[in-house]
Amino acid sequence: SQTIHQWPATLVQPVGSPLSLECTVEGTSNPNLYWYRQAAGRGLQLLFYSVGIGQISSEVPQNLSASRPQDRQFILSSKKLLLSDSGFYLCAWSWDRETYGYTFGSGTRLTVV
Amino acid sequence: DAKTTQPNSMESNEEEPVHLPCNHSTISGTDYIHWYRQLPSQGPEYVIHGLTSNVNNRMASLAIAEDRKSSTLILHRATLRDAAVYYCILRDWGGSNYKLTFGKGTLLTVNP
Repeated sequence: SQTIHQWPATLVQPVGSPLSLECTVEGTSNPNLYWYRQAAGRGLQLLFYSVGIGQISSEVPQNLSASRPQDRQFILSSKKLLLSDSGFYLCAWSWDRETYGYTFGSGTRLTVV
Repeated sequence: DAKTTQPNSMESNEEEPVHLPCNHSTISGTDYIHWYRQLPSQGPEYVIHGLTSNVNNRMASLAIAEDRKSSTLILHRATLRDAAVYYCILRDWGGSNYKLTFGKGTLLTVNP
């Protein structure tokens, strides 16, 4: 069966520090991968999605970047965190077939102080 | 992306059925109707999806109007664990749109 791993679960980082969040999927190949962010009390915002290795689409301009160095690995990064980067970050995967939905990871709660 | 409209909140009693409505009047012929729910401090969880026919699974049922401009997620017997935000989303299968766009959803409160 397919599983999605996301870490760390919580993170407190000072303003201006770098960020690296990792997401890996097991038990599948060539998944579509997604990074979402949920600010406190708000809805989910799609940040990036990837349909293959090295292929990244950005949904909103921001202080973050994403990379997909391997088929089942998706990384969210920042060189210098801002206070506004605080939020709940969620990774998800999907097959691009009509019979499948999205499966989300357990999320990383990032607090920038 | 085609849009969906949901009530901001709904309330139900435990062990009673719950009908969560969703309007999607601009749905296209290739849009699948997806439902997800999000419990507090957790990632969204897939509930059900369909295209034209009504769908049933172990979690819920999805009733789709004949003209596909609306749908209803049915929880047959609500439990306290069903209290969550429920999202109705359209996913375009026919094009190159790989992404799901979440709206604000419906906050379901289940009373004991």
